[in-house]
Amino acid sequence: AQSVTQLDSQVPVFEEAPVELRCNYSSSVSVYLFWYVQYPNQGLQLLLKYLSGSTLVKGINGFEAEFNKSQTSFHLRKPSVHISDTAEYFCAEPPGNTGKLIFGQGTTLQVKP
Amino acid sequence: NAGVTQTPKFRVLKTGQSMTLLCAQDMNHEYMYWYRQDPGMGLRLIHYSVGEGTTAKGEVPDGYNVSRLKKQNFLLGLESAAPSQTSVYFCASSYSTAGGGETQYFGPGTRLLVL
Repeated sequence: AQSVTQLDSQVPVFEEAPVELRCNYSSSVSVYLFWYVQYPNQGLQLLLKYLSGSTLVKGINGFEAEFNKSQTSFHLRKPSVHISDTAEYFCAEPPGNTGKLIFGQGTTLQVKP
Repeated sequence: NAGVTQTPKFRVLKTGQSMTLLCAQDMNHEYMYWYRQDPGMGLRLIHYSVGEGTTAKGEVPDGYNVSRLKKQNFLLGLESAAPSQTSVYFCASSYSTAGGGETQYFGPGTRLLVL
């Protein structure tokens, strides 16, 4: 069965420091990948997605992610985080063309002043 | 455009009681989904619908039923609530399948506590 693994459950970081949130996927077929963000007490919203083409994908709020097929990874990065980036981040992959999404366990990013 | 809305926002139930969660979207999306979110487990798909009048089971369907009588609404029912169903429930919708790269749009969530 397909699975998405987020390697860190919590990532504490100081404001203005760089951050990387790690995600590994399992699909060996054509891949679409998503990162969603959930701010406290809110629903999820799309941060960015990889469909095809350039392996470096830029999203909202200065985030970017790199698709690496050989390592089956889709890590999320930001060069300088703000307090407002404190949230939970989810990596997700659709298992084929079923309409569904498989989510990772989530990574809580805690930005400290 | 309200996007995806969920009713109610919060509910407390006693074991064995029933309730219905309502999801509504005004984006004319074909696909709708119900997820539950539990600490450390991400989001797990309960049921989903690929169009009006259709429903399908997701990853964790037991104890839940759904109906999609109108394109804009997707109802999630708990016939006999159990403490294991204490969770935050999210509804989402999309124009087409995530397998085609489509974005899912989420509601604000319903917090359910079953005592």
